[in-house]
Amino acid sequence: QMHLQESGPGLVRASETLSLTCTVSGGSISSGGSYWGWVRQSPGGGLEWIGDIYFTGVTHYNPSLMSRLIISLDTSKNQVSLELTSAAATDTGVYYCARLRNSHFVPHCFEFWGQGAHVTVSS
Amino acid sequence: EFVLTQSPGILSLSPGDRATLSCRASQSVISNYLAWYQQRPGQAPRLLIYGASNRADGIPDRFSGSGSGTDFTLTISRLEPEDFAVYYCQQYGISPRFTFGPGTKVDF
Repeated sequence: QMHLQESGPGLVRASETLSLTCTVSGGSISSGGSYWGWVRQSPGGGLEWIGDIYFTGVTHYNPSLMSRLIISLDTSKNQVSLELTSAAATDTGVYYCARLRNSHFVPHCFEFWGQGAHVTVSS
Repeated sequence: EFVLTQSPGILSLSPGDRATLSCRASQSVISNYLAWYQQRPGQAPRLLIYGASNRADGIPDRFSGSGSGTDFTLTISRLEPEDFAVYYCQQYGISPRFTFGPGTKVDF
């Protein structure tokens, strides 16, 4: 059974970089056809797609975050990473990593989720 | 701007009742790439339905999805105590690639 675990600082100062890591077990992040994504949930409950990365390293980012965002793979550690620069209070929330379901090379939904990492951006 | 709207915002029911949740898209969803998730308090979302009507692995058959184009429905045939949660719909394909609805809370 696939397991995803997010980790990283729970408190980030405003204007600094929010960095999170997702460690995957029960499967390889470099297995053919796999997509890995990040979704965040605001304190009010809304879910927002942040971005995703194909096993080849090709990324797709939410246009609203694109200028501040980097998602990458570390195949040696079987980890997916997220870096969001210039953090602001509006970046506060729970950050989830997930494996996407891929049907005929279309990554159309989020199949397996981590338990989430709570991040607070303080001024 | 693409928007998913879910109704009602809160659905007050009892165990054993039938629940009908609606998700409406502002534009037609590409290839019916519409998914439903359940989120219990303190937990991550869990995939229930993908492709509008396909149950994910391990999901009980009391959960069913239907619809196409802009109107989609999640039905829970007989509510169990563990089904009282928040349900989200999500589309793939229309910018910004993935969009979630605001959620429907099924309350006891």
